Amino acid sequence: NAGVTQTPKFQVLKTGQSMTLQCAQDMNHEYMSWYRQDPGMGLRLIHYSVGAGITDQGEVPNGYNVSRSTTEDFPLRLLSAAPSQTSVYFCASSRTESSTNEKLFFGSGTQLSVL
Amino acid sequence: GNSVTQMEGPVTLSEEAFLTINCTYTATGYPSLFWYVQYPGEGLQLLLKATKADDKGSNKGFEATYRKETTSFHLEKGSVQVSDSAVYFCALSSGSARQLTFGSGTQLTVLP
Repeated sequence: NAGVTQTPKFQVLKTGQSMTLQCAQDMNHEYMSWYRQDPGMGLRLIHYSVGAGITDQGEVPNGYNVSRSTTEDFPLRLLSAAPSQTSVYFCASSRTESSTNEKLFFGSGTQLSVL
Repeated sequence: GNSVTQMEGPVTLSEEAFLTINCTYTATGYPSLFWYVQYPGEGLQLLLKATKADDKGSNKGFEATYRKETTSFHLEKGSVQVSDSAVYFCALSSGSARQLTFGSGTQLTVLP
């Protein structure tokens, strides 16, 4: 089983460039989300989606866009990259939004550096 | 708001040593508590969870007990192995995945 697949694994951008981080899951999960992981901090939620066509902001949404046109895919777009967006990005999914009854499946991450 | 505080790392142990990683939390209501593990080069995986006070979560020799009176969820293992080397995250949620709050993580290295 592929689970949650993220691409690319590594990316270097220049300030002002745009790019899209890809995330796909093959488990027919309703809930998908994007986190960023910074040194000394826990994971912080950027955006999430509870189903195709439905997205909402998390704790740190500024500078990022998402869309959910299919159940499987949840791309994260950086509109104009800034050095503050240097981080490791994780996509995660679960069958439903419930954290009590479901577990989150994480991708292996994208390490992004913005120069 | 909700918050999770984990012991600072890194933690270095010899194989077969006893492990404790402290986790305390602040939350309203009755959150569910989780431990996630991140092995090198991989995403996080759920290690164990507890959904109500006095529940004990366990998996792969790891245990943690939901202590409401001390607002704690310490992770323990009686005898660690080199393969347990990873970053461990304590987390809580009030019911929705979007409400998951993670601690800052504790790096564990086990030496042979």
